[in-house]
Amino acid sequence: DGGITQSPKYLFRKEGQNVTLSCEQNLNHDAMYWYRQDPGQGLRLIYYSQIVNDFQKGDIAEGYSVSREKKESFPLTVTSAQKNPTAFYLCASSPGLASDEQFFGPGTRLTVL
Amino acid sequence: GESVGLHLPTLSVQEGDNSIINCAYSNSASDYFIWYKQESGKGPQFIIDIRSNMDKRQGQRVTVLLNKTVKHLSLQIAATQPGDSAVYFCAEKVPHGQNFVFGPGTRLSVLP
Repeated sequence: DGGITQSPKYLFRKEGQNVTLSCEQNLNHDAMYWYRQDPGQGLRLIYYSQIVNDFQKGDIAEGYSVSREKKESFPLTVTSAQKNPTAFYLCASSPGLASDEQFFGPGTRLTVL
Repeated sequence: GESVGLHLPTLSVQEGDNSIINCAYSNSASDYFIWYKQESGKGPQFIIDIRSNMDKRQGQRVTVLLNKTVKHLSLQIAATQPGDSAVYFCAEKVPHGQNFVFGPGTRLSVLP
């Protein structure tokens, strides 16, 4: 998991509630990413950030929001507008946006009750 | 990436045998590829990478083969061990691209 932490590991939410997933890295990486993983599908990009105070929508940004106030932190909020939020969420970082390898955190499994 | 629905392809091998996991990538312009290993409930771990100017790269017990003609990538694991049981997926990136495209993965089960 190499310097990237995600918390909590398991999260339960009632329908209609917003919830924030934490992602912290101590690798001094500029770029950070959020992915969603569903059974039988490849990782899908939700949001990414190249630098502090900047972030871009990925392929499936609807119903999610992010912030990047600090280099080491990139929290993801799953809002009530996300119609199917139950999934495994992965955070990743890389030295820069065009860097080759991405380092992944351990993931957070979100279940909507 | 390609979606194969709710069920991952599964490869079952006997302990000690060699494993070959395949990936059909989507973009003929992709020039960089990574294989990841993901154990249950954990984040993906980098295994090995290859650039498009190569057709083979070897690591410790793993080999990646790239066939650009048919857009095919394979991961070979020698002498498969129980600890190799996981989901393996490939990722591709185009030149100067910002983001990777990830395949759905293959589940490897190692039988005792």
